[in-house]
Amino acid sequence: GQNIDQPTEMTATEGAIVQINCTYQTSGFNGLFWYQQHAGEAPTFLSYNVLDGLEEKGRFSSFLSRSKGYSYLLLKELQMKDSASYLCAVEDSNYQLIWGAGTKLIIKP
Amino acid sequence: ETGVTQTPRHLVMGMTNKKSLKCEQHLGHNAMYWYKQSAKKPLELMFVYSLEERVENNSVPSRFSPECPNSSHLFLHLHTLQPEDSALYLCASSQEVGTGANVLTFGAGSRLTVL
Repeated sequence: GQNIDQPTEMTATEGAIVQINCTYQTSGFNGLFWYQQHAGEAPTFLSYNVLDGLEEKGRFSSFLSRSKGYSYLLLKELQMKDSASYLCAVEDSNYQLIWGAGTKLIIKP
Repeated sequence: ETGVTQTPRHLVMGMTNKKSLKCEQHLGHNAMYWYKQSAKKPLELMFVYSLEERVENNSVPSRFSPECPNSSHLFLHLHTLQPEDSALYLCASSQEVGTGANVLTFGAGSRLTVL
């Protein structure tokens, strides 16, 4: 079967760095997405990786290793507003999105 | 108004009620989706529409009935629901269906409680 694993919850301190991991087992691979969802709000697109390596976008970076079935989202200089759930999703060979259950990130002062 | 708008934001209904959820997108997208989001579970795809034609129905019970009258509007009609149907229902849109790098734009969701 198809599966996406990510930690249920993480806690980090304001100003620090946090890495949220995502491992996947899917029928084929056409890309990996990260979305951010604040409580009570719509998920919003953060990043898309289809090739191995690191994509940097401001304070957020996303890494992909297709051979290991692994990605991470790196958040630097954490701010209180980064408290949210982070959703990992993989496009399989049929371009269907397979979703992880999300990682709730709690930022403490 | 831009983006994806869902109404109502909150809905409480009894098991014998009939209600509808509404979604509008003003992004010029050709594809629209209904997802179910339950606590600590992955998003569950329910229905996909491409240019007003249903292209996917993921074994959703018939008590959920979608309707897509045009490419900007999507409805989810609800009838004789069960308490386990209580969840956040998210609408999303994208430029196309079945292409790579298909970024979804989500609405804020309709929080449904079935008593």
